Amino acid sequence: SQQGEEDPQALSIQEGENATMNCSYKTSINNLQWYRQNSGRGLVHLILIRSNEREKHSGRLRVTLDTSKKSSSLLITASRAADTASYFCATDQTGANNLFFGTGTRLTVIP
Amino acid sequence: GAVVSQHPSWVICKSGTSVKIECRSLDFQATTMFWYRQFPKQSLMLMATSNEGSKATYEQGVEKDKFLINHASLTLSTLTVTSAHPEDSSFYICSASERQETQYFGPGTRLLVL
Repeated sequence: SQQGEEDPQALSIQEGENATMNCSYKTSINNLQWYRQNSGRGLVHLILIRSNEREKHSGRLRVTLDTSKKSSSLLITASRAADTASYFCATDQTGANNLFFGTGTRLTVIP
Repeated sequence: GAVVSQHPSWVICKSGTSVKIECRSLDFQATTMFWYRQFPKQSLMLMATSNEGSKATYEQGVEKDKFLINHASLTLSTLTVTSAHPEDSSFYICSASERQETQYFGPGTRLLVL
């Protein structure tokens, strides 16, 4: 399967703590994207990191990409209860016409 | 795991024609389905949310009369692009959710309007 894998599948933390989610994939990519999905809602795009980039920041989000290990991580700092959601990585793979989504990490931030 | 299929995977049509894309949940009942669109080199953008048996909820800027969504059963949702034009050429992907927890994505449909 070309679908990425994420770990952990579920993560529960206290408000104020940092949350780290990892994504692994199998093939060459053009870019990797992270999305958030609140329960019952559609995906919301968070951040895109290109294959020639190693780290990117957006507000409280920090994304890293290691193409040699074919992995990426999403760090949410100083988490808030409103960050409770499922987080998906998606890869834009070289030679492919569509995005490949990971299995998702379900994050719960306890107030 | 749960499987979502889309048909067709590729479609090429002439400007002015209508195109229907099907999204099916193969081994579970999808109470909610989502339709997304992705233009080249851009991220996925949500178009609409569809709950079985009710009207779809469209995102701002998405024309409901142009993108007709039908979710008549718990395993099938359709997106019809009416009077398609070249600017509608895009990649359309659906996803399906059973209990509003885990979302499963279809493989997508590439539409090219000539």
